[in-house]
Amino acid sequence: DTGVSQNPRHKITKRGQNVTFRCDPISEHNRLYWYRQTLGQGPEFLTYFQNEAQLEKSRLLSDRFSAERPKGSFSTLEIQRTEQGDSAMYLCASSLLPNQPQHFGDGTRLSIL
Amino acid sequence: QQPVQSPQAVILREGEDAVINCSSSKALYSVHWYRQKHGEAPIFLMILLKGGEQKGHDKISASFNEKKQQSSLYLTASQLSYSGTYFCGTGTAYSGAGSYQLTFGKGTKLSVIP
Repeated sequence: DTGVSQNPRHKITKRGQNVTFRCDPISEHNRLYWYRQTLGQGPEFLTYFQNEAQLEKSRLLSDRFSAERPKGSFSTLEIQRTEQGDSAMYLCASSLLPNQPQHFGDGTRLSIL
Repeated sequence: QQPVQSPQAVILREGEDAVINCSSSKALYSVHWYRQKHGEAPIFLMILLKGGEQKGHDKISASFNEKKQQSSLYLTASQLSYSGTYFCGTGTAYSGAGSYQLTFGKGTKLSVIP
């Protein structure tokens, strides 16, 4: 069990650029979640995968955000045309089954200049 | 709807006890508790799946009152390592119904001092 791995750890980009983050879940976990966290707040749900199927997506999530999980293994989160408000820590978590512990990665910190 | 955590912050001396509360306006199926230290990932503490369920882990335990839609986290004989921000995450899903997403509170910052 190597834990959930996220890359990169930090990303600095100019407003308007596209960014992509990667998450490698714990190998036997087929549930994968993306969250966003800003200072002083708890993680905010973005989207959820069961294997390769994206089953849930936050209604608050802009169309500029898209996530994939090809072959049900690693996942990518892409943000197009980044805005200042996208600056946050993006966390990935995985679990074996729903309503079981979600194990979080260390996150990718995104800073928009 | 985001669950409400109280208190927002608490300072303890080593050995003292604390209670952190989490309440929701929605019917709950599960409550998950996490601790997060500055700059680190949230670490899972425990999950409560049934109303009235209590779980313990060392000197940290929790209860879940399904009728009141509340959960409480109990930290006894606190240690320096307990410092961090505690989050409750609430879930409404069971057996495929509802949503599997967790909705987290704003957190309770716990500081344990010598």
